[in-house]
Parts: sequence; structure tokens; C-alpha cells
Amino acid sequence: KAGVTQTPRYLIKTRGQQVTLSCSPISGHRSVSWYQQTPGQGLQFLFEYFSETQRNKGNFPGRFSGRQFSNSRSEMNVSTLELGDSALYLCASSLEGGNPLAALHFGNGTRLTVT
Amino acid sequence: AQTVTQSQPEMSVQEAETVTLSCTYDTSESDYYLFWYKQPPSRQMILVIRQEAYKQQNATENRFSVNFQKAAKSFSLKISDSQLGDAAMYFCAYRSALVNTGTASKLTFGTGTRLQVTL
Repeated sequence: KAGVTQTPRYLIKTRGQQVTLSCSPISGHRSVSWYQQTPGQGLQFLFEYFSETQRNKGNFPGRFSGRQFSNSRSEMNVSTLELGDSALYLCASSLEGGNPLAALHFGNGTRLTVT
Repeated sequence: AQTVTQSQPEMSVQEAETVTLSCTYDTSESDYYLFWYKQPPSRQMILVIRQEAYKQQNATENRFSVNFQKAAKSFSLKISDSQLGDAAMYFCAYRSALVNTGTASKLTFGTGTRLQVTL
């Protein structure tokens, strides 16, 4: 079974632009969550989607948004990019949303650099 | 809000030796789950071991075991017979058991401990 796939692996954008990152979960998984990883703030929860509905959202500005499609694939969008948005963005999928025992399976992340 | 603290930014261990990584957490909840994740240079977070707070018995997975002290809010990871492939960043993480509020979907991570394994 294929793992969680994130595309692209690397991305370079300029301040003020917007970016869309994609995450394809493991087949059959209905929950997708996103995390931002930076050297200064560590790993921070962005949001989680389950069956196309956002279940939970972290403490990030409205420039960060996401969505989930009927096939469980998810995208996250960051508008009006700032230098501080440079980070590794990790996506994780699980069978069930909100079930703390359901194992999270992470992708290899998308490294976003904002110049 | 829950917090997770890893006070050891870096640790080093010789191959075949044992090392313990520390983690403390703060929560007002009585039911929750704790995890250790490993992040090698490939960047993928890999689940190492997990512990349910309502279980008194410490979890064990092959060479990996935890020392869970609920009253002290401590959750350390012991790696026995360390191997070169164990070299990675290790993250301690907390997850609420409050399913109905939606907060169980969120993992709260510590800042990580970089483990080096030497010959």
C-alpha cells in the first residue's frame, strides 16, 4: 500500500505570492491533518480534515487554509506569503478522524522557502 | 492548553549501548495518549511507541520502551542496543482523549532531541 504522498517536495516562492501544497493520504484513510515545522517554533498543528469537513484548527492566521476532496486528498493554501512561512509542511493521514488511538502516518513533507 | 517539554536538545550514544530520552508534559486532562516519533533525515515522522495514560504498564516495542510516570507527568524513552539506524530527531507528543471536542485530532509536540549514534 502506498504511503502518504506530498507534492511538491520543494518549493521556492516570493513574498506576497500564494502557494498550494497537496497531500494524498493512504488509500482508505479519511482523515488528513497538517503540521508546520520550523526551527524556531517546532512542530505546530495547522488543521485536520475528516470527510471533507474541517474538524479542528490550530492557531494560525486566516492566510492559512485548507480543504479536502471527496477522495480524501487534501490541499493547503497559504496566501500573501511572508518570510516566516518558510518551513517544512507535513501532512498525516489516519483511518478515523479524532480517534486518538488511530495511528498517524506522515508524508515526507514539502519544504517551502519564501524569499 | 497542553505543553510538552524535551530538555535535551542533543544526546549521543555508542552503538550497542542504552540511552534514555526525557520528556515531561503538562495537562489538566486525566485521559490522554503519549507518543514518541522519530524523524530521520528523510523528514518522514515515524511512530516509535505509544502509551495510553489509563494503562499503568509501560509500553514496549522491541528495543524501545518507555517509563511512564503519570503523577510526575514524565514520559521517557529508552533505546536498548542502539543501532546506527536509530540516529534521528526524536519527538515526544501528546494527544487528548477527548474525542467529542475534536481536540483529539491534534498532536502537541515537544521540541525534539537529536540522537547521535557513534561507533
